[in-house]
Amino acid sequence: DAGVIQSPRHEVTEMGQEVTLRCKPISGHNSLFWYRQTMMRGLELLIYFNNNVPIDDSGMPEDRFSAKMPNASFSTLKIQPSEPRDSAVYFCASSPTPTPGGEQFFGPGTRLTVL
Amino acid sequence: AQSVTQLDSHVSVSEGTPVLLRCNYSSSYSPSLFWYVQHPNKGLQLLLKYTSAATLVKGINGFEAEFKKSETSFHLTKPSAHMSDAAEYFCVVSDRNAGNMLTFGGGTRLMVKP
Repeated sequence: DAGVIQSPRHEVTEMGQEVTLRCKPISGHNSLFWYRQTMMRGLELLIYFNNNVPIDDSGMPEDRFSAKMPNASFSTLKIQPSEPRDSAVYFCASSPTPTPGGEQFFGPGTRLTVL
Repeated sequence: AQSVTQLDSHVSVSEGTPVLLRCNYSSSYSPSLFWYVQHPNKGLQLLLKYTSAATLVKGINGFEAEFKKSETSFHLTKPSAHMSDAAEYFCVVSDRNAGNMLTFGGGTRLMVKP
């Protein structure tokens, strides 16, 4: 298995631009998670999906952030408009358990820099 | 509410000496506990997990951790450090009372000196 796949691995953009991060979970996994990692705040859960349905988005910073999971094999995290404070590493993870709490498998991350 | 405290933000050891990374947790119910490792510019990889079976859990790369309920601890150990162990380590807790959400500790950066 290829594991969780994220693209792009690196993204540099200018303030105000739209950014779309992509994730392909491990086949057969029911749950998908988006995290953000910064030096200041550590690892934060932004949103998670169970069977393609968003369950908890309380970690999404503000309306500029949105996430979708149109099918079991693909999810996107969009930031519009982007701001310099959004610069971070964004991780996608998936889990084979029906509900979160089981082991999660992480992708390599997308390093986002907003100038 | 569940929480995790990693007592040391940085630990430095010499190659070949033991490793001890400390973790204390708070959880309302019987928790699941994990240790993840993150090498530079990489994603997080599961080292080991405790889910109410044996209290001494063995993981990959020679690491192990012991669940001690009376001390609410889940310290990570390895008898002999290798240069390739240099990384950031995260202690993670999950319990059903918190909706099975994962709560991450702040991380401990392990440095291994030759």
